[in-house]
Amino acid sequence: DGGITQSPKYLFRKEGQNVTLSCEQNLNHDAMYWYRQDPGQGLRLIYYSQIVNDFQKGDIAEGYSVSREKKESFPLTVTSAQKNPTAFYLCASSNPGEGYSNQPQHFGDGTRLSIL
Amino acid sequence: AQSVTQPDIHITVSEGASLELRCNYSYGATPYLFWYVQSPGQGLQLLLKYFSGDTLVQGIKGFEAEFKRSQSSFNLRKPSVHWSDAAEYFCAVGAVGNEKLTFGTGTRLTIIP
Repeated sequence: DGGITQSPKYLFRKEGQNVTLSCEQNLNHDAMYWYRQDPGQGLRLIYYSQIVNDFQKGDIAEGYSVSREKKESFPLTVTSAQKNPTAFYLCASSNPGEGYSNQPQHFGDGTRLSIL
Repeated sequence: AQSVTQPDIHITVSEGASLELRCNYSYGATPYLFWYVQSPGQGLQLLLKYFSGDTLVQGIKGFEAEFKRSQSSFNLRKPSVHWSDAAEYFCAVGAVGNEKLTFGTGTRLTIIP
């Protein structure tokens, strides 16, 4: 079955450390997204990519970085500059039709990041 | 800019009772509207979507939603809830030419026996 795989499910970061969250999809979707979820705040967009080798900042990109070297992969790095990284991180993908929001986004099962 | 408001943070209903979750949006043109459900520790699953046409849309798991332009609302309904419906529900709005969905803050649904 096609889907989105996020790994690891749980991740711990030490002070001053960068960590990378993996997101892989086999849906052949063009667009991929990273969201951060905090209790009571819904989902906030970190970065998104509409095509390989191209990505754009979302609403809360500071302290995060991404790459999109392959269509199926969109890893997210949480850098030491992100002072409050504890959150649930969700990766999503969509297949743009007439405007990117025309296609509902499919989600992975998330990675929970905590600070040691 | 588009925005979504889910005015109810937490709702409790009895199993077998009807359910309505509220969603209000702000957008200048015709929006694309979505409802998602999230079980604890899981990702989001699409319940239903509205792009155009019939304002009453049917989704999975017996859910439906009605788009009311005059009220800027897209409320989610289910005639009889099951214990397995306990989860968090998110409304989202998008638009043509806008690559980003804007999500509401969610409504947590608790089902009591």
